[in-house]
This record gives sequence, C-alpha cells and structure tokens, in this order.
Amino acid sequence: AAGVIQSPRHLIKEKRETATLKCYPIPRHDTVYWYQQGPGQDPQFLISFYEKMQSDKGSIPDRFSAQQFSDYHSELNMSSLELGDSALYFCASSLGLRRDRVGNEQFFGPGTRLTVL
Amino acid sequence: GDSVTQMEGPVTLSEEAFLTINCTYTATGYPSLFWYVQYPGEGLQLLLKATKADDKGSNKGFEATYRKETTSFHLEKGSVQVSDSAVYFCALRLTAGGTSYGKLTFGQGTILTVHP
Repeated sequence: AAGVIQSPRHLIKEKRETATLKCYPIPRHDTVYWYQQGPGQDPQFLISFYEKMQSDKGSIPDRFSAQQFSDYHSELNMSSLELGDSALYFCASSLGLRRDRVGNEQFFGPGTRLTVL
Repeated sequence: GDSVTQMEGPVTLSEEAFLTINCTYTATGYPSLFWYVQYPGEGLQLLLKATKADDKGSNKGFEATYRKETTSFHLEKGSVQVSDSAVYFCALRLTAGGTSYGKLTFGQGTILTVHP
C-alpha cells in the first residue's frame, strides 16, 4: 500500500540558509500535518492543512511557512535556519477533519532529518 | 492545555517479561487515545487506539484500556520480544468539542529495550 512520502530524507544546511521539505500524502488523503521532533524529544505539532487551507497552527516559528497544493502535497519552508532547528520533521496524512470521522488515523512518513551546521 | 504524561524511562526487560508503560492525560474535551511506536531510524507507526471510555485497543499482543475515571491509557504486553525494542509514544487527539482537534499531542516517549 502507498505510504506518506517525504523528501529529502536527509538535509544538511548552514546557519541562516533556507530549506524546503516536501510531503506527499497517501492518495485520497486531504489532510496533512507537520511535526518537529528534536533529539530525544516527543514530536511537536507545527501546522496542518485540510483541503489546501490551514486548519490549525502549533508552535511553528515565524521563520517557517507551509502550504498545501492542489494535488494535496505540502511543503514546509524554513528560512534563516538556526542550530536549534536541527530535528526530525515528520509529515502525516489522514482523511478529513469532519467531526463524524472520530478516530481517523494519521499515517506518518519516514521523516526528514535536518541538520543545521 | 491538553497534555500527556508517560512513565519515566527507559525500560529494560528480558525476553518474555511482562511490560507496562504508564500513560496519563489531561484534556479539556473527550480525546481519542493512541499508542505509537518508533523503531530506530524510522517514522511513527500506530500501534493501537481507543476512541471512547472503556474501549480496549489491541494489536500485536499489546493492549491498552481507555480509563476515563483515572484519565489513563496504560500499555501492556504479556510477553515481550527482542523485536519490540523501540520508543513508545502515548498520544491524544481531541474530537468533538475541541477547537484544535486533528493534531496529536504526544507524551515524552518511553525507550524499551528487550534483551534475549
């Protein structure tokens, strides 16, 4: 079965550079979530999109932006990178946010490991 | 705000031992509860879930029961295997009534190591 695809899998950047992470959800999934997992930490929610509109926002720095495109893939853009941005970035996808879909599973991608030097 | 607290880790067991990883939560609404597992170098995989009080989630020999009265969702397995070594995350997601439903709120994670 198709899974969530993230690219690149590994990324090394210098401080103050920019980075773009891409996420391709499972076919027919219309909701995408981004999470950041620092070393030894639990994943922290950054932002989510439903039907190409931002649906929720968590602890995402102003230096980061994201969007969901017409084909439902999503990109996380990170500017003015800092050492503290080094982390594993997960994308997850699911079916819809309609309240009757209680318990919809979020399927996670393998993550993009970003290292900022 | 909503939060999940897991037992202090890491946990080290011998093969075939009994496993319990404690998880308690605080939520303003009526959350769905999840256990995710993360193997080294991989993403998060859903292990089991429960969407309402007294539901029991089970998968691959693991079980967890949604206890509303104690706000807990402890993970158990009767006989662990070396292949169960991984990091286990308890998580919640608000459903009806929550303003931020959809996103997952995770606990700190518990590292499980099983020795032969």
